Amino acid sequence: GAVVSQHPSRVICKSGTSVKIECRSLDFQATTMFWYRQFPKQSLMLMATSNEGSKATYEQGVEKDKFLINHASLTLSTLTVTSAHPEDSSFYICSALGQTYEQYFGPGTRLTVT
Amino acid sequence: AQSVTQLDSQVPVFEEAPVELRCNYSSSVSVYLFWYVQYPNQGLQLLLKYLSGSTLVKSINGFEAEFNKSQTSFHLRKPSVHISDTAEYFCAVSEGGGTGGFKTIFGAGTRLFVKA
Repeated sequence: GAVVSQHPSRVICKSGTSVKIECRSLDFQATTMFWYRQFPKQSLMLMATSNEGSKATYEQGVEKDKFLINHASLTLSTLTVTSAHPEDSSFYICSALGQTYEQYFGPGTRLTVT
Repeated sequence: AQSVTQLDSQVPVFEEAPVELRCNYSSSVSVYLFWYVQYPNQGLQLLLKYLSGSTLVKSINGFEAEFNKSQTSFHLRKPSVHISDTAEYFCAVSEGGGTGGFKTIFGAGTRLFVKA
């Protein structure tokens, strides 16, 4: 199956700083990518849909100025958490949409804000 | 999809026993149905999917799921589980794909724990 990578896998940052997470589709072109947040022992919560070459579509309650998404190429989408706070600590997962509506997921990024 | 319900948060089962993981959804439009599996310390992987056609779909490792439109269910089954099937299983429902966009809602997940 298709491979999606995420970098970094873990990051610790201080409150008030910004953190960028990269999501890459390694062996296929992904017109659409998704960003999710997963809380412990809970399901995935869709944050935004990222379409190559256009602005991301954010879900209700997700601050677009805080979670900046850029999908500048068919193989790369980035999520930048700006002015991070401890409540932003979470597991962030990206996925790329396949040709038959399945999603290929990255391994996730554990963000800890101190 | 408006909601996806996985009725069991945890399912302990002995090796070689059958298992069923339940999934119900609510939606007013046609949907695509998926089961994803997350093994310990790994990302989610597609297990199987239903898009159209035969309502019974199967994975390469012995799982199967049946789409029941009248009951809005997509339960996952395996007649004989292995220790290696221990993982978190997520039911997902997608709708859209046209100009209105594409959205997937995930269930809360069911942790399958296979005991020797």
